[in-house]
Amino acid sequence: DQQVKQNSPSLSVQEGRISILNCDYTNSMFDYFLWYKKYPAEGPTFLISISSIKDKNEDGRFTVFLNKSAKHLSLHIVPSQPGDSAVYFCAAIPQTGANNLFFGTGTRLTVIP
Amino acid sequence: DVKVTQSSRYLVKRTGEKVFLECVQDMDHENMFWYRQDPGLGLRLIYFSYDVKMKEKGDIPEGYSVSREKKERFSLILESASTNQTSMYLCASSYPGQGDTEAFFGQGTRLTVV
Repeated sequence: DQQVKQNSPSLSVQEGRISILNCDYTNSMFDYFLWYKKYPAEGPTFLISISSIKDKNEDGRFTVFLNKSAKHLSLHIVPSQPGDSAVYFCAAIPQTGANNLFFGTGTRLTVIP
Repeated sequence: DVKVTQSSRYLVKRTGEKVFLECVQDMDHENMFWYRQDPGLGLRLIYFSYDVKMKEKGDIPEGYSVSREKKERFSLILESASTNQTSMYLCASSYPGQGDTEAFFGQGTRLTVV
């Protein structure tokens, strides 16, 4: 049973425009949320995170928004650049346990020059 | 700089072989994880370990075992490789504690079982 869901397998955006990647979760015990970026044949790299006590976290071109009541988070990339083309995974960590990450299925972002 | 190193980038093994995937981290992390990544399924947890000699099953442990004899090393073992274990395998490590502690990943091992 997928506790973290990314319903869009792919997204294409023009360079310079905003990319919005979405993620939904079902477990209200998730305490911390992360976004990872993955290029082919490489391991995922951490991008940005947000605690459940916040609703927004910003880091340069990347902003993550959390709506706890809707169990929804989104990653905004603005402006999008061709180098942002990658697969993006949403992940969540529960309040208790060994910091096991629950991952979504990923969204492949293509930024068109 | 945190480094998680997986012993092989690419492996090709025959059905029925015993396969060892090795992972080493240099940040003295207590937690270590093995995931596999498959198209359309994301990253699925196979096993994790929160201390030396400790292990916990993840979501898909069948056909796998693990070994953690030293803090920095976490091995994934395929006892008898099968074609449905062809996948990208990813090792990760993290500090313990709640929240605010992202996992750092290795570069991945692409395993093909023929």
